[in-house]
Amino acid sequence: DSGVTQTPKHLITATGQRVTLRCSPRSGDLSVYWYQQSLDQGLQFLIQYYNGEERAKGNILERFSAQQFPDLHSELNLSSLELGDSALYFCASSVFDRAPLLNTEAFFGQGTRLTVV
Amino acid sequence: ELKVEQNPLFLSMQEGKNYTIYCDYSTTSDRLYWYRQDPGKSLESLFVLLSNGAVKQEGRLMASLDTKARLSTLHITAAVHDLSATYFCAVALTGNQFYFGTGTSLTVIP
Repeated sequence: DSGVTQTPKHLITATGQRVTLRCSPRSGDLSVYWYQQSLDQGLQFLIQYYNGEERAKGNILERFSAQQFPDLHSELNLSSLELGDSALYFCASSVFDRAPLLNTEAFFGQGTRLTVV
Repeated sequence: ELKVEQNPLFLSMQEGKNYTIYCDYSTTSDRLYWYRQDPGKSLESLFVLLSNGAVKQEGRLMASLDTKARLSTLHITAAVHDLSATYFCAVALTGNQFYFGTGTSLTVIP
């Protein structure tokens, strides 16, 4: 168990709908990262938050947004869902947000499997 | 755009054999990570390589990093069935965002 908690584990929804994925980082971790894993795109970095502020954006669609709350949990909001958004969404957390540091390891949650039908 | 390439994509090997997975990346970074993923599961951290020439070993797996060549290797010694999984390398940029390779699906045949 990595200590990163993601809910729900599975989500099935229809095209055009909106869903929210939730992530609780490891105790003490200030950075949260969201990743999408799909068969055609592989593992892609979406967005990073550090202590409540957005720090970096990757290949995140405009229909997607995220935030990190004062208690450091994060939510990824996916709207106007399309079939191609079906994927496994991972959240990861780490203590710091910048290198070089002795330990910059990121720990991954179990993921939320989103199926859009 | 940062590109991280792994090869091979698929690897089928017999128990007891040795093999190496390669990870090439296109931009300067002195931090590289190896993860293991079992089907439908999360990513498990295997190695954190933080400097040029870093070598780390755990059991039958050994990882190395050459930042000048922008290359990391994951060497498997005397493979066993339990090593069957998908292995990813990931390059970290300054903000600690990871850019993952394509993954190598390893099947160890008894």
